[in-house]
Amino acid sequence: GAGVSQSPSNKVTEKGKDVELRCDPISGHTALYWYRQSLGQGLEFLIYFQGNSAPDKSGLPSDRFSAERTGGSVSTLTIQRTQQEDSAVYLCASSLTPGGGNEQFFGPGTRLTVL
Amino acid sequence: AQSVTQLGSHVSVSEGALVLLRCNYSSSVPPYLFWYVQYPNQGLQLLLKYTTGATLVKGINGFEAEFKKSETSFHLTKPSAHMSDAAEYFCAVRSGSQGNLIFGKGTKLSVKP
Repeated sequence: GAGVSQSPSNKVTEKGKDVELRCDPISGHTALYWYRQSLGQGLEFLIYFQGNSAPDKSGLPSDRFSAERTGGSVSTLTIQRTQQEDSAVYLCASSLTPGGGNEQFFGPGTRLTVL
Repeated sequence: AQSVTQLGSHVSVSEGALVLLRCNYSSSVPPYLFWYVQYPNQGLQLLLKYTTGATLVKGINGFEAEFKKSETSFHLTKPSAHMSDAAEYFCAVRSGSQGNLIFGKGTKLSVKP
């Protein structure tokens, strides 16, 4: 079956612009995660959705970052007023259920470059 | 709070040599431990995981890892490196019902012919 897909694969934007990154999880997976991968910080957790519960936003670095998940499926990560330090690869993952030993399946990522 | 330390940001081995990538974790509750591999310009792929039971875990591509509670370690090994093993490897921990994974900084493996 299809894996996790993300779009766009690459995004170049100017400082101060808003960007939207999209994630399509594996069908039937109730948990969805966003991570950020950058040279200096490694892999950082951003936000986590589980079913219809309120998301865990504890990893979002600033209030310029927000995310939503519509209908328990597709998710959009929005970064407002982008800064150069937002340049990174944004990875989305999904799992059948959260926690425990359940595997998270990762998408290929969106590489964001802020000029 | 959980944390993961991977010793060595770069490891280089010769083809056919033993691969040993080190991972130590910190967790106040019994952890679930994972190794992921990332090939250039790709997402992460699960190599293996420890949940409960047998402490020696076998994964894909001939890799295995041993959970040692007394040493808080989960080192990844492969008896004989192949050129195709060149990639970046990430160790991760999760505890209980926590959703997200906590990753180490990663170890980039190079394999010399």
